[in-house]
Amino acid sequence: AQSVTQLDSQVPVFEEAPVELRCNYSSSVSVYLFWYVQYPNQGLQLLLKYLSGSTLVKGINGFEAEFNKSQTSFHLRKPSVHISDTAEYFCARREAGSYQLTFGKGTKLSVIP
Amino acid sequence: DVKVTQSSRYLVKRTGEKVFLECVQDMDHENMFWYRQDPGLGLRLIYFSYDVKMKEKGDIPEGYSVSREKKERFSLILESASTNQTSMYLCASSLGLAGSYNEQFFGPGTRLTVL
Repeated sequence: AQSVTQLDSQVPVFEEAPVELRCNYSSSVSVYLFWYVQYPNQGLQLLLKYLSGSTLVKGINGFEAEFNKSQTSFHLRKPSVHISDTAEYFCARREAGSYQLTFGKGTKLSVIP
Repeated sequence: DVKVTQSSRYLVKRTGEKVFLECVQDMDHENMFWYRQDPGLGLRLIYFSYDVKMKEKGDIPEGYSVSREKKERFSLILESASTNQTSMYLCASSLGLAGSYNEQFFGPGTRLTVL
């Protein structure tokens, strides 16, 4: 079955420190990977996506993620977080030819001043 | 900018009531989706539609139905609301063509409480 595992449900980090939010996915021949962010009381917004090509993907707000096929991982990173990054982050996968996105359970990032 | 709107941000209903959640998108997208979001469970797909009058069950369709009479509008129906349907409901839309990449755009969500 298709699955996405976010290894940490909550991540507290001090302001200006680096952060990594971990995501593992079930492998497939052709899979697209996404990170979405949800700020309090809002819908989801796309941060970045991996379709093919370069394994390092850059997104909005200084975030980036690295696709690692051998480890079936797609971890999200930011070198220096801000208070405004406090939000819930969702990793998601979609197989080529499918309409359906499968989401992980989310990671709540709390940035501490 | 793509806009996905949902008819209510907050809704309170009583057990047994029939509930309609409405979603409208303004970008002529073929696909529309309904998810529910619960703490610790992430987003789970209830139903989706890839064309007018077409629908497919997602992972948790029990207790729900949907309607898509017009391309821009996708309704989620709770025939007889129950307390375990208290949740955040998110609507999304995307362009068609499942074989290519198409980002899903989300609405702001409707927080439904069933008493």
